[in-house]
Amino acid sequence: DVKVTQSSRYLVKRTGEKVFLECVQDMDHENMFWYRQDPGLGLRLIYFSYDVKMKEKGDIPEGYSVSREKKERFSLILESASTNQTSMYLCASREQGNTIYFGEGSWLTVV
Amino acid sequence: ELKVEQNPLFLSMQEGKNYTIYCNYSTTSDRLYWYRQDPGKSLESLFVLLSNGAVKQEGRLMASLDTKARLSTLHITAAVHDLSATYFCAVARYNNNDMRFGAGTRLTVKP
Repeated sequence: DVKVTQSSRYLVKRTGEKVFLECVQDMDHENMFWYRQDPGLGLRLIYFSYDVKMKEKGDIPEGYSVSREKKERFSLILESASTNQTSMYLCASREQGNTIYFGEGSWLTVV
Repeated sequence: ELKVEQNPLFLSMQEGKNYTIYCNYSTTSDRLYWYRQDPGKSLESLFVLLSNGAVKQEGRLMASLDTKARLSTLHITAAVHDLSATYFCAVARYNNNDMRFGAGTRLTVKP
């Protein structure tokens, strides 16, 4: 079975802190994604990556950056967390054209 | 820009009834996905529809795709309480490198 692991399930951070959300997949998938999910807004794409060191902006990249130094790992970085970044963050991976597999989600609260 | 619209956003059904969830998208795509999400959980893949006219069925759920109309439907037959969840459709861009999700349909099946 495909496994997408998000290392932090629940985080509480202070405004202005730098936040790292880590995601690892074990199926050698090319594509990896970061979404945030908010009530009534569905899943919104923040960034995606189609190869090591390659990244593209999604619909809401402002305030976020990403890193993909190895194929299995895709990190989401909040350089200076703000309260409007309180959300659930979902990482996902996929072989091109196939089903996307999601991690369990990371619940981030910024106070 | 690829946009995905689902309706209805909220659906309350009686057990035993039938209903359909609609998913419209804005640009050419030949891959459409349906996911289920239970409260507090991640997303689980239900169907992948790969071509015009594709129909897939699993239990009481049936999904179809009309690429000319840019429309997919998720039909629920004789609903049961266990189907209560939020259902998302998602569409991949023509190059299949990224995906966009609808806002989700929160389904509640009442006894």
